[in-house]
Amino acid sequence: AQSVAQPEDQVNVAEGNPLTVKCTYSVSGNPYLFWYVQYPNRGLQFLLKYITGDNLVKGSYGFEAEFNKSQTSFHLKKPSALVSDSALYFCAVRDALNRDDKIIFGKGTRLHILP
Amino acid sequence: EAGVAQSPRYKIIEKRQSVAFWCNPISGHATLYWYQQILGQGPKLLIQFQNNGVVDDSQLPKDRFSAERLKGVDSTLKIQPAKLEDSAVYLCASSPPGGLAVLYEQYFGPGTRLTVT
Repeated sequence: AQSVAQPEDQVNVAEGNPLTVKCTYSVSGNPYLFWYVQYPNRGLQFLLKYITGDNLVKGSYGFEAEFNKSQTSFHLKKPSALVSDSALYFCAVRDALNRDDKIIFGKGTRLHILP
Repeated sequence: EAGVAQSPRYKIIEKRQSVAFWCNPISGHATLYWYQQILGQGPKLLIQFQNNGVVDDSQLPKDRFSAERLKGVDSTLKIQPAKLEDSAVYLCASSPPGGLAVLYEQYFGPGTRLTVT
């Protein structure tokens, strides 16, 4: 069965510093991987995804994520954090091998960017 | 382009009452999802439609939850009767048709926050 883990409930970063939000996954086959962001009182917004190809994926708002197959990770990164990046971030995974599998979301990591 | 619309935004009901949520996906999006998001957790898929057919409802508590998408556009999710543990945000999402460029990208509505007392 597929699963996704976000080991940190909260991450605090000073504005201007680089940020990393961690995600690890488990699937039987190859993974499809996603990051979503949720701002207060708003629905989830798609940030980026890995389906195939280049391991470094670039997405919205200057975010990027690196697919690491050997470590089964897909950490979200940004070189220089903004206060406006403060939000709840969700990693999600789907097993590319199993057509019946659904997209599974992690429990989320709250990112606080300190001014 | 208009986003995914949901109503109502908030609903408070007593246990054993019934409630219905409505979703209008982005125009042209054939795939529609309903998720339940309990506080402190990630969204959990309840049901997925492809046009007006059900693709996955394996996590839908069918004894009390039902959903339909009769004309392949709007959808309603109903809970009858509600339990205290149904208190959550109910999210609707839709996905565009297409290849790898948009594969599995989901566009979410603002959600309906349900409180069962």
